[in-house]
Amino acid sequence: AQSVSQHNHHVILSEAASLELGCNYSYGGTVNLFWYVQYPGQHLQLLLKYFSGDPLVKGIKGFEAEFIKSKFSFNLRKPSVQWSDTAEYFCAVKSGGYQKVTFGTGTKLQVIP
Amino acid sequence: DAGVIQSPRHEVTEMGQEVTLRCKPISGHDYLFWYRQTMMRGLELLIYFNNNVPIDDSGMPEDRFSAKMPNASFSTLKIQPSEPRDSAVYFCASSLSAYNQPQHFGDGTRLSIL
Repeated sequence: AQSVSQHNHHVILSEAASLELGCNYSYGGTVNLFWYVQYPGQHLQLLLKYFSGDPLVKGIKGFEAEFIKSKFSFNLRKPSVQWSDTAEYFCAVKSGGYQKVTFGTGTKLQVIP
Repeated sequence: DAGVIQSPRHEVTEMGQEVTLRCKPISGHDYLFWYRQTMMRGLELLIYFNNNVPIDDSGMPEDRFSAKMPNASFSTLKIQPSEPRDSAVYFCASSLSAYNQPQHFGDGTRLSIL
């Protein structure tokens, strides 16, 4: 069975600091990988996705993620965070040709002005 | 384009009552998912449908939970009888069937069972 690990449960940064959120998955075959963001009181929104090709994926709002197959990782990055990035971030994986997506437990990001 | 529409947005009811949550997926999407989100367990997949047919209901916690999809534009998640531990935010999501397509989430229903 596939699984997703997000090791950082709560991250606090000052504005303009750089961000990297870790995500590791367990599945040896072909995967689709996603990062979703959930702003307080809102639904999950897609930030970016990887399914093939360039392992460096650029998403909305200046976020990017790098797929490193050898490390089973898909870390999310942003060079300079803003207060408005305060939210919870979820990594997710879809694999094996199935539509079922497995979500990580989420990382709460708090950006201090 | 209209996104996934869920109703109600908030529901407060007493233990033992029947609760029905509703979802309208994005038109043309042939997969529909029901999730439950709590602080303790995070986001859990309860059940998903493909072309109105339930494919995997292994996440449904107990027989008190049931879900139906009578047509391509409507699904319900029912809890009967409800219990305080069912309090959570319930999300519906839909997607196209292509492998690389993401899920699109509704705004959720915040359910409180007193």
